[in-house]
Amino acid sequence: EVQLVQSGAEVKKPGESLKISCKGSGYRFSNYWIGWVRQTPGKGLEWMGIMYPGDSDTRYSPSFQGQVTISADKSITTAYLQWSSLRASDTAIYYCVRAGTSGWVFDSWGQGTLVSVSS
Amino acid sequence: EIVLTQSPGTLSLSPGERATLSCRASQSVGSTYLAWYQQKPGQAPRLLIYGASIRATGIPDRFSGSGSVTDFTLTITRLEPEDFAVYYCQQFGSSPCTFGQGTKLDIK
Repeated sequence: EVQLVQSGAEVKKPGESLKISCKGSGYRFSNYWIGWVRQTPGKGLEWMGIMYPGDSDTRYSPSFQGQVTISADKSITTAYLQWSSLRASDTAIYYCVRAGTSGWVFDSWGQGTLVSVSS
Repeated sequence: EIVLTQSPGTLSLSPGERATLSCRASQSVGSTYLAWYQQKPGQAPRLLIYGASIRATGIPDRFSGSGSVTDFTLTITRLEPEDFAVYYCQQFGSSPCTFGQGTKLDIK
């Protein structure tokens, strides 16, 4: 069974850094694109970016390019999303997603990580 | 970027009825690149349909998708209590991939 298990909720202050994680299991981690989707009440679901762990090819949405960094450690089948300086507007639920074999269709989702940024 | 507009925003129906949800794209989307997801409160979205009309693994056959170019439809025949949720369409034929704003299906 494919599973994506994300790290727990975070409460941070503006300007702080953060790295959240997503551990994949039940499939060959290196062979599937893994990405991140943000959900907020105001903007709904937004695709942030995606990485192919096999060769580290990474693509970002223009809206998130330069704002976050996506990475992965194949040895522990874990993907990461990180910020160097959080803003209040980064408050959201973040889902990691696996893209299946039919393009960037997200056939598996993590349980979500709530990130709250407030002074 | 391609904007997906879903309608209606909220659909109120009773169990046993038929639901028809619409997703309209601002530019042409190849049918191969259109998917539908279901999200229940407190849960992550779940893939229902991809390739505009192909049901994902384990999805009941009361869910069906259709459409092409800019107009796509998700139909749920004979609504079950567990079908009341929010539904999103997604396109991934043009980067960045984008989602619609969602249609909330609630119990009348």
